[in-house]
Amino acid sequence: GQNIDQPTEMTATEGAIVQINCTYQTSGFNGLFWYQQHAGEAPTFLSYNVLDGLEEKGRFSSFLSRSKGYSYLLLKELQMKDSASYLCAVRDAQAGTALIFGKGTTLSVSS
Amino acid sequence: KAGVTQTPRYLIKTRGQQVTLSCSPISGHRSVSWYQQTPGQGLQFLFEYFSETQRNKGNFPGRFSGRQFSNSRSEMNVSTLELGDSALYLCASGVGGETQYFGPGTRLLVL
Repeated sequence: GQNIDQPTEMTATEGAIVQINCTYQTSGFNGLFWYQQHAGEAPTFLSYNVLDGLEEKGRFSSFLSRSKGYSYLLLKELQMKDSASYLCAVRDAQAGTALIFGKGTTLSVSS
Repeated sequence: KAGVTQTPRYLIKTRGQQVTLSCSPISGHRSVSWYQQTPGQGLQFLFEYFSETQRNKGNFPGRFSGRQFSNSRSEMNVSTLELGDSALYLCASGVGGETQYFGPGTRLLVL
């Protein structure tokens, strides 16, 4: 089966750096995605990792270790608008193209 | 390029009724996936259509069904609505097996 774990809530202050962790268990790993979802809105794509290592995209970076079943999303220079839910999702080869989502991490950024 | 569109955005139904939701993918995208999002369960995969064929199906009862038309637009239908079907229904489109881009969702309330 599949299982994805991420912290339920995190808090941080403007300008800081925050790391959101995600651990997963799948039968046949085939890629990991991070999405951002503001309250009442649709998830928006942030990053995709299929090979080990760090992918950097502006203030956001995502890291993957397939051997450890572990990923993190790193947010730098936090802004108030970064307050949102961050969803980790895994594609499992046995589930085809379906994304298996974690419950999400609600990040609150304060001034 | 226009994003994924979903109609209607909000819907109120009563138990026992049926409902049809519509999704128009990003132009050129042939894959359409449907997800249900609830506070308790998070985002859960319903099914995926590609070139008018259901390619993948999640663990939902047969009351949930869908189809895809030749122009890649997709509909999902829920029959005999239950209170527990109240949720945000999200549609995502993709080129094939790559990143999925979400629409704004249809918020369904079952009374």
